[in-house]
Amino acid sequence: DTGVSQNPRHKITKRGQNVTFRCDPISEHNRLYWYRQTLGQGPEFLTYFQNEAQLEKSRLLSDRFSAERPKGSFSTLEIQRTEQGDSAMYLCASSSNTATGELFFGEGSRLTVL
Amino acid sequence: AQSVTQLDSQVPVFEEAPVELRCNYSSSVSVYLFWYVQYPNQGLQLLLKYLSGSTLVKGINGFEAEFNKSQTSFHLRKPSVHISDTAEYFCAVRMDTGRRALTFGSGTRLQVQP
Repeated sequence: DTGVSQNPRHKITKRGQNVTFRCDPISEHNRLYWYRQTLGQGPEFLTYFQNEAQLEKSRLLSDRFSAERPKGSFSTLEIQRTEQGDSAMYLCASSSNTATGELFFGEGSRLTVL
Repeated sequence: AQSVTQLDSQVPVFEEAPVELRCNYSSSVSVYLFWYVQYPNQGLQLLLKYLSGSTLVKGINGFEAEFNKSQTSFHLRKPSVHISDTAEYFCAVRMDTGRRALTFGSGTRLQVQP
């Protein structure tokens, strides 16, 4: 399967712990996006990379959140000192560099903070 | 900045009936428009997109949408729905230049009943 892959699919953690999610984009895509989706809402943009450069960060991305994309391949999203409000589905998407490149989404990583 | 409004949070419909899911957008610049579908416990899948040209766009699974610039709408339609169309549907918009990230609506849950 050459789609967008996300791991882990589910993560349950206690408040205050750190968690990290990984996203492997489609191999020829140089743009990578992170979104957050809570129950009953549409995905909300968090951040995006072009190759290894993080070009945009949403105001939703507090200081406890950090994303990296070393070498422009896979990406990680880390949440430090998790809070119950962080419980959500974290979606990763990738796209090509063409002007009309559509976003291809992974199946998401569901975070539950107890 | 762009925004998307999906006017109906839930749409119940009987199998083989026609359906229309409404989407309105707001943007000060030209945009591209998308409809994504999300089946339970799965990632988002692109149904169709409007980039330019004909305002009537056909997508997968028999869905189509019409771009109406004067009404800033991009409503999704299907002439005859199936049980398998039960899912969450998201309308999304992005600028045709510059910022690549999609802005999503809050979604419409299509519930097809036998």
